[in-house]
Amino acid sequence: GEDVEQSLFLSVREGDSSVINCTYTDSSSTYLYWYKQEPGAGLQLLTYIFSNMDMKQDQRLTVLLNKKDKHLSLRIADTQTGDSAIYFCAAPGDMRFGAGTRLTVKP
Amino acid sequence: DAGITQSPRHKVTETGTPVTLRCHQTENHRYMYWYRQDPGHGLRLIHYSYGVKDTDKGEVSDGYSVSRSKTEDFLLTLESATSSQTSVYFCAISLAGVDTQYFGPGTRLTVL
Repeated sequence: GEDVEQSLFLSVREGDSSVINCTYTDSSSTYLYWYKQEPGAGLQLLTYIFSNMDMKQDQRLTVLLNKKDKHLSLRIADTQTGDSAIYFCAAPGDMRFGAGTRLTVKP
Repeated sequence: DAGITQSPRHKVTETGTPVTLRCHQTENHRYMYWYRQDPGHGLRLIHYSYGVKDTDKGEVSDGYSVSRSKTEDFLLTLESATSSQTSVYFCAISLAGVDTQYFGPGTRLTVL
């Protein structure tokens, strides 16, 4: 079946940049998504990128898409302690989510 | 936040008992989904619905059934709960199958 893969953990210091990576196999998704889950809560849409784009910037967030390699990344600039959460990438074409990357931001 | 509620929010039950979880939306979205979230597995799709009375299986559908008799409600039933079904269950909705999904707050189910 189709898979979405992410590394499970990332730890950074406050003020550094965070880069969360994702690889996917589904090529039918028109959009690719990043969701954020804070403790005890459901997932919230963080950002998305249209599949024919290479990059999208939204304030501190930068999404890069390498369609040839089926690689998606999320960069958070100037990471803050409030960014600590689990981040999921999603390729909705086959309703699959990655396992989630737990981002820990140390002061 | 999208108008999605889940009930109950927490439930503890015993092995072998039936359990029904409810998802209710006020957004009139066509698609509704049930996922379970387990450590190391992320979100896995159980069942989804693409309209009233139209449902289909997801990746981990064994032991679960669903029903959608109204646009706004999507029920997930565990006919005979097992300890392996201890999990956090999330409902989601979307306008179309490839659109952004909006998630409910989750139901934490413990099967003893």
